[in-house]
Amino acid sequence: GENVEQHPSTLSVQEGDSAVIKCTYSDSASNYFPWYKQELGKRPQLIIDIRSNVGEKKDQRIAVTLNKTAKHFSLHITETQPEDSAVYFCAASRGDYKLSFGAGTTVTVRA
Amino acid sequence: NAGVTQTPKFQVLKTGQSMTLQCAQDMNHEYMSWYRQDPGMGLRLIHYSVGAGITDQGEVPNGYNVSRSTTEDFPLRLLSAAPSQTSVYFCASSPRDDESDTQYFGPGTRLTVL
Repeated sequence: GENVEQHPSTLSVQEGDSAVIKCTYSDSASNYFPWYKQELGKRPQLIIDIRSNVGEKKDQRIAVTLNKTAKHFSLHITETQPEDSAVYFCAASRGDYKLSFGAGTTVTVRA
Repeated sequence: NAGVTQTPKFQVLKTGQSMTLQCAQDMNHEYMSWYRQDPGMGLRLIHYSVGAGITDQGEVPNGYNVSRSTTEDFPLRLLSAAPSQTSVYFCASSPRDDESDTQYFGPGTRLTVL
């Protein structure tokens, strides 16, 4: 099955700086890569996703890049704010609605 | 729309007890799934369903049963609870849409097995 590895496990950044989280996947048939944000005690919420026919996608301060050849994808958060503090999960799917998740990255934005 | 709802929010069981975690969605989504979340391990797929009457196993199905008699409901049954099943359980749903695999999560059930 699919194996998704996520790094780093924790990330501390100064407010206003950028944060980057990287994930690698093993299944070359995976074609859908969502990112979820989970605040303490809350449900995971989709923040951005990308399909394998696109190399980059942006939504305001958030962007995701995908390298199909190397089988890795990354989340970029620019101009970080205290409300960006949360756990972020990457995931991969073959388009069959079965998501394989990374272990998560705890992001702390220091004021 | 209420979206995806789960009950109960919290549950404590003794080893060997059985119980059912409830999940319902009012978005007419065909696809529903159950995940468990453990510290440092992300979310892992337990069981899923692509429509009423159809279920299949995910990554960690042992000790759990599911059924899907209606589009709206997808209960998860623990047959004989074990301490290893202490976890947070999330139900999710998704429309069968070629343009998106977006899954919408419920608020979760925190289960402790003593």
